[in-house]
Amino acid sequence: DAKTTQPNSMESNEEEPVHLPCNHSTISGTDYIHWYRQLPSQGPEYVIHGLTSNVNNRMASLAIAEDRKSSTLILHRATLRDAAVYYCILSGIQGAQKLVFGQGTRLTINP
Amino acid sequence: EPEVTQTPSHQVTQMGQEVILRCVPISNHLYFYWYRQILGQKVEFLVSFYNNEISEKSEIFDDQFSVERPDGSNFTLKIRSTKLEDSAMYFCASSLDRASYGYTFGSGTRLTVV
Repeated sequence: DAKTTQPNSMESNEEEPVHLPCNHSTISGTDYIHWYRQLPSQGPEYVIHGLTSNVNNRMASLAIAEDRKSSTLILHRATLRDAAVYYCILSGIQGAQKLVFGQGTRLTINP
Repeated sequence: EPEVTQTPSHQVTQMGQEVILRCVPISNHLYFYWYRQILGQKVEFLVSFYNNEISEKSEIFDDQFSVERPDGSNFTLKIRSTKLEDSAMYFCASSLDRASYGYTFGSGTRLTVV
């Protein structure tokens, strides 16, 4: 499984944008970049995913570097509810692809 | 928004007893998964299931574990003889496609083995 590297923790202020980085230098051409988050005492929650192009949805934006070796999850206006552990995960397209969770980035939002 | 439903939310069992954790995946999803998370640790993959058979299983998923989709809607994880180290949150997940769609997780079953 291709690995990702994320900072252990980040801190931001409420109503400010947050940029969560992820490095994945060994990504293959068919690996999708997934982001999930886990709020305290809850199951993982899908945030966004992409392959090559930048992606936007109602929760966040995903910016993918041109060489695909890194990506950034962007929360445009953080709220207290966004405090969670964020996981950047690579997943291929062969078979019923499992998600391999790392330690993720623990995001703290200050009021 | 469609949800993955897990029951019970919390189960306490005695060591050596069998437990069945139940999940109702999203109805049109094709791929089904079980994960677990021991308190304070990473989320770990247990097993994936597609077309009524196991697609992949981890080293954790040994002979005491089994999965079943008995009626086309439920997806169950059975632990035959529970051990203290099986105490964890167990999450069920489902997905429509292998990688091009996100996975939807349930809210989990907290299993406590005493």
